[in-house]
Amino acid sequence: LAKTTQPISMDSYEGQEVNITCSHNNIATNDYITWYQQFPSQGPRFIIQGYKTKVTNEVASLFIPADRKSSTLSLPRVSLSDTAVYYCLVGDTNAGKSTFGDGTTLTVKP
Amino acid sequence: ETGVTQTPRHLVMGMTNKKSLKCEQHLGHNAMYWYKQSAKKPLELMFVYNFKEQTENNSVPSRFSPECPNSSHLFLHLHTLQPEDSALYLCASSRDRGGNQPQHFGDGTRLSIL
Repeated sequence: LAKTTQPISMDSYEGQEVNITCSHNNIATNDYITWYQQFPSQGPRFIIQGYKTKVTNEVASLFIPADRKSSTLSLPRVSLSDTAVYYCLVGDTNAGKSTFGDGTTLTVKP
Repeated sequence: ETGVTQTPRHLVMGMTNKKSLKCEQHLGHNAMYWYKQSAKKPLELMFVYNFKEQTENNSVPSRFSPECPNSSHLFLHLHTLQPEDSALYLCASSRDRGGNQPQHFGDGTRLSIL
């Protein structure tokens, strides 16, 4: 199984850019990197997915260096409502070949 | 609104009761999943269904019995549960099982075993 390492928690303030880095040293050639967001008492929500370089959507950006052994989720100008747990997954989640780890609990303060 | 609906949202049951959790998706997806999320623990994948066929059972005790009558519906039948089974049970779906398709989750059923 593809293992990931993320910080357990991060604090930020409204309006700041937040970068959460995930390490995945044993990423396989065919593995994608997927990030989810989870609020209390809700299911995880897909944020962004990428394979290499940079991916951007209306919510976030994902930066992946050439060696693909890490990735960084970037949330621009966070608000209080971005307080949540963020999970980084590597590999084929649908085949049970990657798992949700502990995630990063992001707390945005006013 | 994720397109995946789970009912009930909350369930309290005794250890000798029998109940069922329901999951429904109208996204046209072919793969469906059951996860368990206990307090302070990561999500645990329980079962995977692809085109109505069970493809994975991650060593889940037999007191949990899944059923997938069609690609849009997934059930989790519960009987003789234990207090440690209290958790948030999440259903998810994806277009298919391969190719890193993102999963769409429901908001779960909060289960409490007395």
